[in-house]
Amino acid sequence: GENVEQHPSTLSVQEGDSAVIKCTYSDSASNYFPWYKQELGKRPQLIIDIRSNVGEKKDQRIAVTLNKTAKHFSLHITETQPEDSAVYFCAASSGNTPLVFGKGTRLSVIA
Amino acid sequence: NAGVTQTPKFQVLKTGQSMTLQCAQDMNHEYMSWYRQDPGMGLRLIHYSVGAGITDQGEVPNGYNVSRSTTEDFPLRLLSAAPSQTSVYFCASSYSLTGTGNYGYTFGSGTRLTVV
Repeated sequence: GENVEQHPSTLSVQEGDSAVIKCTYSDSASNYFPWYKQELGKRPQLIIDIRSNVGEKKDQRIAVTLNKTAKHFSLHITETQPEDSAVYFCAASSGNTPLVFGKGTRLSVIA
Repeated sequence: NAGVTQTPKFQVLKTGQSMTLQCAQDMNHEYMSWYRQDPGMGLRLIHYSVGAGITDQGEVPNGYNVSRSTTEDFPLRLLSAAPSQTSVYFCASSYSLTGTGNYGYTFGSGTRLTVV
């Protein structure tokens, strides 16, 4: 089955700097890659996703890139703000099974 | 429209006890799933359902049972609680198996379970 590795497990950045979180996946059949954000004590929520026929997708300060050949995808957050502090999860699926999540990255934005 | 409702929010069990975690959604989603969240382990799939009467196992199904008699409800049963089942449990629902489009997975607020 699919296996998703996520790095780093923790990340601290100064407010205004950029943050990058990287994930790799094992199943070449995977074609859908969402990112979820979980604030402290809250439920995970979808923030952005990308399909395998697209190399990059942006939504304001966040962007996701996908390299199908290398089987890795990344989340980029620019101009980080304190409200970006949260745990971020990447996930992957071929469409035939539910999402397989990475282990999460705890992002701290220091004011 | 309440979304996904999980009960209880907190529970303490003794080893060997059984209990049912409730999950209900009012969005007419076909797909529902249960994940457990442990520190440093991310979200791991326990069981999932693609519709009423259809369930399947996920990555960590041992010690848990599910059933899906209606579209709305997807309860998770702990048969004989063990300390290793101490975790935060999330129920999720979606229009598609992977949550593509339509805001992805809608998660419940979680159940924090402690087994002593």
